[in-house]
Amino acid sequence: AQKITQTQPGMFVQEKEAVTLDCTYDTSDPSYGLFWYKQPSSGEMIFLIYQGSYDQQNATEGRYSLNFQKARKSANLVISASQLGDSAMYFCAMRPWASGTYKYIFGTGTRLKVLA
Amino acid sequence: DAEITQSPRHKITETGRQVTLACHQTWNHNNMFWYRQDLGHGLRLIHYSYGVQDTNKGEVSDGYSVSRSNTEDLPLTLESAASSQTSVYFCASSETGGFPGELFFGEGSRLTVL
Repeated sequence: AQKITQTQPGMFVQEKEAVTLDCTYDTSDPSYGLFWYKQPSSGEMIFLIYQGSYDQQNATEGRYSLNFQKARKSANLVISASQLGDSAMYFCAMRPWASGTYKYIFGTGTRLKVLA
Repeated sequence: DAEITQSPRHKITETGRQVTLACHQTWNHNNMFWYRQDLGHGLRLIHYSYGVQDTNKGEVSDGYSVSRSNTEDLPLTLESAASSQTSVYFCASSETGGFPGELFFGEGSRLTVL
């Protein structure tokens, strides 16, 4: 079965500190893409970062980086130097490539609160 | 700028009524999706389409239907609304073969079934 697991329903972090949001996945497909989305309180979904299963290096986008550990099937999002505007719901998602579909599987999300 | 729009943004209806949520994208994407978002469940796939006249069921398709008569639109219909269908609904689209192939989301439609 294809599944994304986010075990942290909610997290707090102090402003300017780093925080790691956990994501583990399960798939039998040999190739896949992993995505993180941010959903602020306004409700829109914002694409943050992508990691391909064959990428040798961890993806980075500004203050966001993806700690990809393929053997452990984990794709944790690291936010460095947290800002108040980072307070939001964060979703991890996977798209298996080899299955020939374009379906995306989402986790249940982690709500992050950044404290001043 | 290309975009994906949903309407209505907010809807209150009664049990048993038919409801249609509209989704229109100007990205010219072949792939379109409908998700529902519920606390504790994340986003769950309702229906999806890979092109005109193509529709497929997702994991929570019971009570919902879609049709794809053109590239831009994928309306979601609740044939007989139930209270369990109270949710936030997101339409999304993506490119075929694009990299990295992320989903582009609409703003969401909040549906309340009384």
